[in-house]
Amino acid sequence: SQTIHQWPATLVQPVGSPLSLECTVEGTSNPNLYWYRQAAGRGLQLLFYSVGIGQISSEVPQNLSASRPQDRQFILSSKKLLLSDSGFYLCAWSIRGGGEKLFFGSGTQLSVL
Amino acid sequence: GENVEQHPSTLSVQEGDSAVIKCTYSDSASNYFPWYKQELGKRPQLIIDIRSNVGEKKDQRIAVTLNKTAKHFSLHITETQPEDSAVYFCAAVGHTGGFKTIFGAGTRLFVKA
Repeated sequence: SQTIHQWPATLVQPVGSPLSLECTVEGTSNPNLYWYRQAAGRGLQLLFYSVGIGQISSEVPQNLSASRPQDRQFILSSKKLLLSDSGFYLCAWSIRGGGEKLFFGSGTQLSVL
Repeated sequence: GENVEQHPSTLSVQEGDSAVIKCTYSDSASNYFPWYKQELGKRPQLIIDIRSNVGEKKDQRIAVTLNKTAKHFSLHITETQPEDSAVYFCAAVGHTGGFKTIFGAGTRLFVKA
């Protein structure tokens, strides 16, 4: 069966520090991968999605970037965090070529202080 | 760009009553409409979905309706129970660029015992 791992679960970082959140999927090949951000009490904002290795689409201009160095690995990064980057970050995957259902990771609660 | 509007933002019902959440979408190319339930501090999970060639779908106490002409879709929960308390997200998915899922802002449902 397929599983998705996301870490860390919680992160407290000072303003101006770098960020790296990692997500890996097991049990499937060539998944579509996504990063969402959820501000406190708000909806899910799509940040990045990827349909293949090295293929990243950005949905909103921001202080963040994403990379997909391997088929089932998706990384969210920042060189210098801002206060506004605080939130709950969710990685998700879906089946390539017709799978619209999203399967979410357990999320990372990021607090930038 | 694509947009999904969701109402109400908060809904409080008495146990046993029905709850209705409504959404509208902007992208006429959307053809898949999932609903996700997110309990406090947890990941969103799919509870029901509907495709554009279907007007209604039911799964026990949960039903979804879709009016493709009006670009409206709704979630109906009957005989609500305290464990139905959560945040519910509607979403719309199109086939452009990797099956992007665009979420509504969410509805916080409180079911009072």
